[in-house]
Amino acid sequence: DQQVKQNSPSLSVQEGRISILNCDYTNSMFDYFLWYKKYPAEGPTFLISISSIKDKNEDGRFTVFLNKSAKHLSLHIVPSQPGDSAVYFCAASANTGNQFYFGTGTSLTVIP
Amino acid sequence: GAGVSQSPRYKVAKRGQDVALRCDPISGHVSLFWYQQALGQGPEFLTYFQNEAQLDKSGLPSDRFFAERPEGSVSTLKIQRTQQEDSAVYLCASSFWSLYSNQPQHFGDGTRLSIL
Repeated sequence: DQQVKQNSPSLSVQEGRISILNCDYTNSMFDYFLWYKKYPAEGPTFLISISSIKDKNEDGRFTVFLNKSAKHLSLHIVPSQPGDSAVYFCAASANTGNQFYFGTGTSLTVIP
Repeated sequence: GAGVSQSPRYKVAKRGQDVALRCDPISGHVSLFWYQQALGQGPEFLTYFQNEAQLDKSGLPSDRFFAERPEGSVSTLKIQRTQQEDSAVYLCASSFWSLYSNQPQHFGDGTRLSIL
C-alpha cells in the first residue's frame, strides 16, 4: 500500500513561472518530509526538507509547505528555470521507523 | 570523491546467476540504506544499517537477497539465483547520524541490474 502518493506523473511550466508539485501521505506518524530531485541515470539529490513542527520551509527559490491536517505537502519553485527539469520525489519518515517512504515521482519540464 | 559511490553502474546477468552490488558510503556516515527502484516508481526500502548492525531488513523481497556491512563502512547487496523480476536500479544512500535525527539521505547513482 502506497503511503506516499504523487498523483501527477508530469507537469509542464513556462520558464519564470511558478512550479507547484504536490504530495499526499496516509500515515499520521510521519514527522519528517523531504523532496529529492533526480536527473536521468543519476541518484536522487536532496533538495529541501521540513519537520512536522513547521508548516513552511524556504531555501532560495524552493519552498515546501506542510498541511498536517490534510496530510499534504507541496513544493513551490519560483521562478522556474530550465535546469529545474527533472523528476521530483517526495519522501517521508516516522520517528518510530527505520526507513523513508517515497512517492512515485513527478516529472517537471520547464519550457524556455 | 566525496559522495556515495556504487559499483558496478550496470550489471547484466543471466537468470539464475548470483550478483553482488557494492556501496561505498560517504566517509564517517553511520547510517546506510539500500533501495530498489523499478521503472516509473519511487525507491522502495530494502534494508538499513547503523554502523555494522543491520537494524531493519524488512524490505528484502525474499531470502535470495542478502546485505552486509561487516566493518561499518562498505556494504554489499547480494542477490542469489537472480530472477527477471529482480531487474531494477539498486540505490544506496547514507546519512551521518541515525534515521531518528531527521537528516536527509545522500544517494549514489545506483546500479542498474538487468536479468536476461
